[in-house]
Amino acid sequence: DAGVTQSPTHLIKTRGQQVTLRCSPKSGHDTVSWYQQALGQGPQFIFQYYEEEERQRGNFPDRFSGHQFPNYSSELNVNALLLGDSALYLCASSLVPNTEAFFGQGTRLTVV
Amino acid sequence: QQQVKQSPQSLIVQKGGISIINCAYENTAFDYFPWYQQFPGKGPALLIAIRPDVSEKKEGRFTISFNKSAKQFSLHIMYSQPGDSATYFCAARNEKLTFGTGTRLTIIP
Repeated sequence: DAGVTQSPTHLIKTRGQQVTLRCSPKSGHDTVSWYQQALGQGPQFIFQYYEEEERQRGNFPDRFSGHQFPNYSSELNVNALLLGDSALYLCASSLVPNTEAFFGQGTRLTVV
Repeated sequence: QQQVKQSPQSLIVQKGGISIINCAYENTAFDYFPWYQQFPGKGPALLIAIRPDVSEKKEGRFTISFNKSAKQFSLHIMYSQPGDSATYFCAARNEKLTFGTGTRLTIIP
């Protein structure tokens, strides 16, 4: 059983560009959450998707948007990239909201 | 009110010793308190978790102690091994997970 998979693993983008990160949840999980982890910090909650709807959102600007597909996979989009967006982006899935969360290995985004 | 404060920032423990990491929270709406272990270049992995109606939970060498009145909880790693060297995060959930700032644990021979 594959766990949470994220792609790509590493990405380098230029300031002002747009980026799309992808996540496939653990088999049987229908809830996906995205987190941003800056170097040396704990993960910060971006938003959560359940039944293809954004269910919860953290303190992130509208430049951060997402989507969940009917197969429960999810995308995180970031527009107008800033240098400060450089971080490890983590996807976590759970069976339903408010159950144990399993994390993927993350996507390391570097903005230059 | 959503903050989770974690200490120490880094910890060095001798092999076979006890590693202790502490966390404190303010929001009484938190209903689940997990600890995650993270190795460099990897995502966090759930280690052990506790609910606020329980004061202690033990799984192998890992124990969570929970003090609801003080709004504090801690992770104890018994017989610490070099393979335990990693960054540990406490977290608290109220619909979403709020993480502490992490503790870099180093186990020395």
